[in-house]
Amino acid sequence: EVHLVESGGGLVQPGGSLRLSCAASGFTLSDRYMDWVRQAPGKGLEWVGRTKNKANSYTTEYAASVKGRFTISRDDSENSLYLQMNSLKTEDTAVYFCAGDISGGSWGGYWGQGTLVTVSS
Amino acid sequence: DVVMTQSPLSLPVTLGQPASISCRSSQSLVHSNGNTYLSWFQQRPGQSPRRLIYQVSNRDSGVPDRFSGSGSGTDFTLKISRVEAEDVGVYYCLQGSHWPPLTFGGGTKVEIK
Repeated sequence: EVHLVESGGGLVQPGGSLRLSCAASGFTLSDRYMDWVRQAPGKGLEWVGRTKNKANSYTTEYAASVKGRFTISRDDSENSLYLQMNSLKTEDTAVYFCAGDISGGSWGGYWGQGTLVTVSS
Repeated sequence: DVVMTQSPLSLPVTLGQPASISCRSSQSLVHSNGNTYLSWFQQRPGQSPRRLIYQVSNRDSGVPDRFSGSGSGTDFTLKISRVEAEDVGVYYCLQGSHWPPLTFGGGTKVEIK
């Protein structure tokens, strides 16, 4: 059974940094595209970024709103995914979800429980 | 970027009655490989999203057969044949045919009358 567990959220000041982790189990991370999605309080879902699988050289893509500030990485030996967030803004306040290939085929659509990031002074 | 527009914003339904949610894209979602990457997600109050449908009409494992997806090109629909109390929540469509970025619809809140 696929499980995704995020951690690392918390309160950070504007301009600060935070690193989120996502521990994956039940599948081999290197085989899969993985996504980060966020949800601001009371708002809808916003795609943050994606890392392709090993076969596609782990290429990453980002939403315009986070490009240049956020970086997705993975450690396949730990079966873990990461989201490094720098130069945080108040508008980055959201629950951040790690997800498995949300737009793909029969494998995919898996979500973690989310971790809350609050950017405030 | 592909814009996804959902309607209605809010959908009050009577238990046991059908419900229908529309999702329109600003351009055709047919990928160059011939597939159409349109998914539907359910988010119950206080929970993470859950995918119900992928590639327009394929139900994910464990999804009740009262949920169905249809459509093509730029026009897509999620139908619930008979609404149950556990179906309350917000429903989102997502396109993955032309990315980056992947884009979600704004959401449709389903509630019981």
